[in-house]
Amino acid sequence: DGGITQSPKYLFRKEGQNVTLSCEQNLNHDAMYWYRQDPGQGLRLIYYSQIVNDFQKGDIAEGYSVSREKKESFPLTVTSAQKNPTAFYLCAAKGGTGEKLFFGSGTQLSVL
Amino acid sequence: QKEVEQNSGPLSVPEGAIASLNCTYSDRGSQSFFWYRQYSGKSPELIMSIYSNGDKEDGRFTAQLNKASQYVSLLIRDSQPSDSATYLCAVVGLGSSASKIIFGSGTRLSIRP
Repeated sequence: DGGITQSPKYLFRKEGQNVTLSCEQNLNHDAMYWYRQDPGQGLRLIYYSQIVNDFQKGDIAEGYSVSREKKESFPLTVTSAQKNPTAFYLCAAKGGTGEKLFFGSGTQLSVL
Repeated sequence: QKEVEQNSGPLSVPEGAIASLNCTYSDRGSQSFFWYRQYSGKSPELIMSIYSNGDKEDGRFTAQLNKASQYVSLLIRDSQPSDSATYLCAVVGLGSSASKIIFGSGTRLSIRP
């Protein structure tokens, strides 16, 4: 079954804790993305990666970190510096320039 | 100025009518434009892509692009209750930003019976 797999579906973070959201793809796409979506809002770009071992900050990178050690994987860490992390997080992949995004099913992160 | 702007709505349209959704963008060099539909609690799904000026039709959907005026629109003909969703406009950058994909804040569309 091809696509983007995000886990977990729901995640709870305690104050001061770092948490990592997983994103795996078997589409063999080069580019991967992380977006944050708040209730009733659009998608805001956190980080994106065009190739292994390289990534760029999006519009709201503060308080987040990523790695791209493998083509298939692009995990997102929400650090304790992100003071308002409650949101729906979406991971996506794209195969080339101007092509559509394939999205995972998302992770809902909440603060305890 | 936001990079991609949409009216947040809600836009209420009677069943069977035409729904018109609009999007403006700030980067004049942008080349690729997309419309995604998102149901509540779900991931966005692509419904239209457009790359050149003019109209592009796919079933009940028509995307329109005007690069000179920097806007892209989506028309939905014969609106159905299942079209009730949030519609997101997405724009791809140019050159060094060719992989950067920016979304608008979305327009919530409601089709009333």
